[in-house]
Amino acid sequence: GDSVTQMEGPVTLSEEAFLTINCTYTATGYPSLFWYVQYPGEGLQLLLKATKADDKGSNKGFEATYRKETTSFHLEKGSVQVSDSAVYFCALGLRSGGFKTIFGAGTRLFVKA
Amino acid sequence: KAGVTQTPRYLIKTRGQQVTLSCSPISGHRSVSWYQQTPGQGLQFLFEYFSETQRNKGNFPGRFSGRQFSNSRSEMNVSTLELGDSALYLCASSLEASGGQETQYFGPGTRLLVL
Repeated sequence: GDSVTQMEGPVTLSEEAFLTINCTYTATGYPSLFWYVQYPGEGLQLLLKATKADDKGSNKGFEATYRKETTSFHLEKGSVQVSDSAVYFCALGLRSGGFKTIFGAGTRLFVKA
Repeated sequence: KAGVTQTPRYLIKTRGQQVTLSCSPISGHRSVSWYQQTPGQGLQFLFEYFSETQRNKGNFPGRFSGRQFSNSRSEMNVSTLELGDSALYLCASSLEASGGQETQYFGPGTRLLVL
């Protein structure tokens, strides 16, 4: 079935370090791919998205490229800040009759000053 | 433009009771979906509504139900609550303009604790 697998956390980095969170997916059809972020006590915020192969989504210094050949959508940021500490969810969006989003398990990121 | 709003934000119930949660989508959005988030199971899709009709349903028992009103506002109901229903319930809305892939925008959630 359709699923998303992302690297387990927590990931702990020092400020200004490079971040990569791996995400791979299995899906029938042509899904859209998303990264959402959840700060403590809050709901999900859309971080970036890509709707077709080779698209690159970017926002607030974060980037991810839709790689159909490797079924991946890895999240990267060149220099993390303490304020980036949160849980990051990789997700795919599917249309099958209606529409639904399937989420990965989430990766918790801690950034130390 | 106001975001997705959910009420109440926090709720405490006891086993066997029922609960109704409410969601108001972003103005103009016609699709509303519900998700359950727990530490053990992560984020799981409950159901999706569009034009007052349920279009998609996840793998949850019949105790979980929902509806959508003509103004796109949605409610979900959980009857005969169990301890395992304790979770953050998230509502998401999307525009559903073109029938293509949609971006869902999430509300802050309702945190339900069942004692």
